[in-house]
Amino acid sequence: DVGMTQSPLSLPVTLGQPASFSCRSSQSLVYSDGNTYLSWYQQRPGQSPRRLIYRVSNRDSGVPDRFSGSGSGTDFTLKISRVEAEDVGIYYCMQGTHRPTFGQGTKLEIK
Amino acid sequence: EVQLVESGGGLVKPGGSLRLSCVASGFIFNNYNMNWVRQAPGKGLEWLSSISKSSSQIYYADSVKGRFTISRDNARNSLFLQMNSLRVEDTGIYYCARDARELLLGGQGTLVTVSS
Repeated sequence: DVGMTQSPLSLPVTLGQPASFSCRSSQSLVYSDGNTYLSWYQQRPGQSPRRLIYRVSNRDSGVPDRFSGSGSGTDFTLKISRVEAEDVGIYYCMQGTHRPTFGQGTKLEIK
Repeated sequence: EVQLVESGGGLVKPGGSLRLSCVASGFIFNNYNMNWVRQAPGKGLEWLSSISKSSSQIYYADSVKGRFTISRDNARNSLFLQMNSLRVEDTGIYYCARDARELLLGGQGTLVTVSS
């Protein structure tokens, strides 16, 4: 299985400041169709996971534009331009290029 | 809006069985591969199984292979997971998810507790 490593595991951020989440895969995530199937999910406390980003950088409907995804190959990043209180939760990356695997998650908290 | 409503969870003893269901709405069900994903208490997400649009291709995680069976009924917009030989470590919230490679979760999940 493809390993997904997220860092940091905990991310304390001041309200209004940016946040950056890293996700690295043990193999390239470029699929034979040319797409890179890397998604990001947000799980707020007590809620189900919600997909934010798919195929590296495409925001899902209703996701604020302060969220952005980037990266290629094996190295990916999710950024929040200005953290708001409602962003608290755990963020997971997931690859679907091979048999799906998730990262262990990064917990965003307000400093 | 994509909606996925999972049901069928509950408390079961080790070695027991459960059948989970997921009813989909808001999209053309038979146009999409579907999946089951779970989350153990306080842990991360784990993909369990996927099924293609026509049920011709089915895959399982090693942790459930030989014990769980995924199926679907396109006429009823429904996805199922038959879980046999349940273990304590199967405890968790089970979610169904749309799409083959970029899982879209849309429900609250159903809680499975395996305990004696």
